[in-house]
Amino acid sequence: GAGVSQSPSNKVTEKGKDVELRCDPISGHTALYWYRQSLGQGLEFLIYFQGNSAPDKSGLPSDRFSAERTGGSVSTLTIQRTQQEDSAVYLCASSGQGGGTEAFFGQGTRLTVV
Amino acid sequence: DAKTTQPNSMESNEEEPVHLPCNHSTISGTDYIHWYRQLPSQGPEYVIHGLTSNVNNRMASLAIAEDRKSSTLILHRATLRDAAVYYCILRDVSGGTSYGKLTFGQGTILTVHP
Repeated sequence: GAGVSQSPSNKVTEKGKDVELRCDPISGHTALYWYRQSLGQGLEFLIYFQGNSAPDKSGLPSDRFSAERTGGSVSTLTIQRTQQEDSAVYLCASSGQGGGTEAFFGQGTRLTVV
Repeated sequence: DAKTTQPNSMESNEEEPVHLPCNHSTISGTDYIHWYRQLPSQGPEYVIHGLTSNVNNRMASLAIAEDRKSSTLILHRATLRDAAVYYCILRDVSGGTSYGKLTFGQGTILTVHP
């Protein structure tokens, strides 16, 4: 596809269950970002992958959150033992390398923990 | 991460110019200035970026102060579709795990009146 694709678009899960959110970046983009946006709030940085460098995990809110990027392409964000406060829209973006490249965002996954 | 400061909200009338300010007094020499906007219920979209010189594209203009400690996003003729949250971001390309990272602040909520 031409853009960043995220799946599922919506996910309802029970408290305590694990969930996996998927991001397919634009082909050739070396940078991949994950953000979280709670209702009416700004974008909260979670994790950033840049090429073969070690990811910047400084935004992950707890050890229940983890992410991987396989083969420099697809990324999966995993939330273990979900809590109600994890309910939010999870946004993925990708970009080329360098400060002058633009980032493209997916439409997000709306996660609801009940 | 170098920080940006934006007004919480601004208002404009349709077909009038809008000047959205951003202060970034701790900007480093390698930081690019990026602007993104987020329309209601959508993921953010790229607007414009610059390093030292003023920039124009089909969406907007970016005016960068000579000392680079502030910048202004200019929408030449606001439309109702321009109502969004506008984010000013410094993109760090100095190296390390944060190379190219995009960190969003709270942004400016722009309201456009018919």
